[in-house]
Amino acid sequence: EVHLVESGGGLVQPGGSLRLSCAASGFSFSDYWMDWVRQAPGKGLVWVSLINTDGSDTNYADSVRGRFTISRDNTKNTMYLQMNGLRAEDTAVYYCVRNGGWSRFDFWGQGTPVTVSP
Amino acid sequence: DVVMTQSPLSLSVTPGQPASISCKSSRSLLNSDGKTYFYWYLQKPGQSPQLLIYEVSSRSSGVPDRFSGSGSGTDFTLKISRVEAEDVGVYYCMQGIHLPSTFGQGTRLELK
Repeated sequence: EVHLVESGGGLVQPGGSLRLSCAASGFSFSDYWMDWVRQAPGKGLVWVSLINTDGSDTNYADSVRGRFTISRDNTKNTMYLQMNGLRAEDTAVYYCVRNGGWSRFDFWGQGTPVTVSP
Repeated sequence: DVVMTQSPLSLSVTPGQPASISCKSSRSLLNSDGKTYFYWYLQKPGQSPQLLIYEVSSRSSGVPDRFSGSGSGTDFTLKISRVEAEDVGVYYCMQGIHLPSTFGQGTRLELK
């Protein structure tokens, strides 16, 4: 059974940093692209970033490019999102998602909340 | 970015009755491989989103056959033949052919 478990969220001041992790199990992690999607409180879903199978190709939403860095460690079956220069508008639940191809997000984690506030 | 526009934004349906949600994209979602990378997701209350429909009309594993997707190019529809209590939540359409992937605003389905 596929499991995606996010961790690392929390309360951080504006300008601060957090590193989110996504531990994957139940499938061959190194065979799949992976993405992060976020959802601000009471709002809709917004794609954040993606990474290919070996980490050599990444992409970001304009709103986070230059501040966030996605990475993965296939030996640990784990994906990361390093978030620097956090802003109030980054406050959201961050979901780790498995990309089944062409952004077919076939499995989602439970999400980890990030709150950016003084 | 490709804009995905859903309608209606909210829907109140009597159990056992049908429901329909429309989604329009600002660009064609037809790829050169002949496939259309368009999806429907459902976020039930208090839960993570789940994939319902992929490539316009294919149901994801475990999705009941009362859910059906149709459409082409820029216009798509999700239909529920007979709404049940477990169908309550927010439905999102999404395109995956043009980066960044973009979602519709969401359609909230509630029971009458």
